[in-house]
Amino acid sequence: SAVISQKPSRDICQRGTSLTIQCQVDSQVTMMFWYRQQPGQSLTLIATANQGSEATYESGFVIDKFPISRPNLTFSTLTVSNMSPEDSSIYLCSAAGIGDTEAFFGQGTRLTVV
Amino acid sequence: SQQGEEDPQALSIQEGENATMNCSYKTSINNLQWYRQNSGRGLVHLILIRSNEREKHSGRLRVTLDTSKKSSSLLITASRAADTASYFCATDEGGSYIPTFGRGTSLIVHP
Repeated sequence: SAVISQKPSRDICQRGTSLTIQCQVDSQVTMMFWYRQQPGQSLTLIATANQGSEATYESGFVIDKFPISRPNLTFSTLTVSNMSPEDSSIYLCSAAGIGDTEAFFGQGTRLTVV
Repeated sequence: SQQGEEDPQALSIQEGENATMNCSYKTSINNLQWYRQNSGRGLVHLILIRSNEREKHSGRLRVTLDTSKKSSSLLITASRAADTASYFCATDEGGSYIPTFGRGTSLIVHP
C-alpha cells in the first residue's frame, strides 16, 4: 500500500486568496487524483494529475480555478484560486498504481473560506 | 457523475450486530472498492474486488459482487462502536481505473 502525506491538514483562508495543497506519495505511482468533498457529501473528482503535462479536468472544474502540478511520479499540488466561501470543502489527494489496483488517499485538507 | 449508489444512506445498530451496506452501479467495471471515512477525515481503503471475483473477506469484512445485477454488498460482522463511520463504494466507471464514488452509508454502532 502507498502512504500519502497531504498538507496542510486544514486552513482558514480569506476570500479572494489562493491556497496550494501538497501531496507526497512514499512510492512511485502511476495515477494521482484530486477530489473535493463538500460538507456531508460524497467525493467528486476534480482532475487526474498527469506527470509532466496538463491535468485532465472533470466537467465543472477548470484549470484557472484549480491549477494542478505533477512534476514527478510521487508529488502533486492542487491550488484553489480566488477562493470564495463556496470552496469550503475537504480536498483529498489519491494515488494508484498501474491499472487494476487499489487507490489510496491522504488525510485530506479541510478548507474553510471566510 | 456518481457511479455507485449506496443503500441505505444511514444505518444505526447495536454493538455485536451485523451491518450490511449495498452499492449499485450503472456501467461495466474492472473493480469496485470499499472505503471507510471517519468524521470527515481521509479515506481508509478496505477491500478491492475485481469484476471476475464474487466474494472477498478481510477480517470481519465480507464483500460480494454480482456483476449481472451491477451490485455489491459490504458486510461487517460483530460490529463495534469503533466501526462508526461513513462507508463508500467506488467503481472505475466504464473501466477507466479512476474511482467514482457513491453517496455513502453513514453507520452508527451504539455501544
